[in-house]
Amino acid sequence: GQQLNQSPQSMFIQEGEDVSMNCTSSSIFNTWLWYKQDPGEGPVLLIALYKAGELTSNGRLTAQFGITRKDSFLNISASIPSDVGIYFCAGQPWTGANNLFFGTGTRLTVIP
Amino acid sequence: DGGITQSPKYLFRKEGQNVTLSCEQNLNHDAMYWYRQDPGQGLRLIYYSQIVNDFQKGDIAEGYSVSREKKESFPLTVTSAQKNPTAFYLCASSIGVLAGEQETPYFGPGTRLLVL
Repeated sequence: GQQLNQSPQSMFIQEGEDVSMNCTSSSIFNTWLWYKQDPGEGPVLLIALYKAGELTSNGRLTAQFGITRKDSFLNISASIPSDVGIYFCAGQPWTGANNLFFGTGTRLTVIP
Repeated sequence: DGGITQSPKYLFRKEGQNVTLSCEQNLNHDAMYWYRQDPGQGLRLIYYSQIVNDFQKGDIAEGYSVSREKKESFPLTVTSAQKNPTAFYLCASSIGVLAGEQETPYFGPGTRLLVL
C-alpha cells in the first residue's frame, strides 16, 4: 500500500510550547485527515482537509494541505497537558478509493 | 446519541478458536471498515464495505472474515488461521462514496484481542 512518512515519531515538550508535525507521501492524495488517539481508545478526528493549499484551524490546532498534494502539517499552539496522545495523519489517494492510508503516528508528551 | 460502538472492549481467544468482534453504527453511514493496530505502527486495513451485502479485502485480510447483512452492522471474525491475532481492532464508518461527498471515517472505541 501507500507509504506515509510521519515525523517526528515522538516529542517531549514543555507546557505552553508550540508543536509542529508533518506527513509526506510518495504519491498524490486528495484528502488529508489528522486524528488524535488516547491510550486504549479509538482515534478522534481533529481536522479534515480536502483542497490543495487549504489551511484549517480547530481551536489551537491548525493544519494545512500541501500545495503539491503530497504533504500536510499539523501545528498545536500553546500546548496543555491534555494534548498528550498519539497524532496520526491519514491520506486518501487521488483515485477516490474509499480507504485511507495512515502514518505511523507522532507520540506527544507534554511536561507540566 | 449517534456514534459507533464496538464490543467487547477486551476479548480473549484460545488457540484454534474463532472469535467475532461486534461493530454497530447509528450514523446512517453506507461505508464501514475494520483496521488493525499494532504497537508503534499505523492502522492497517483488514476489510471494508461500501454498501450492504458487499465487502472488499484490505491489505491484511488473511485469517479474517466479515459480513454486511445490515447497514448498521459489520462484524469481524478472527479465525484460527490468523496466527498472530493479538492487536487492537478498530471499526470505522463513513458516509460513503455514493453520497458524492468526501470520505471522512469516524472510529469506534476499539476492541483489544489477546490470545491465551
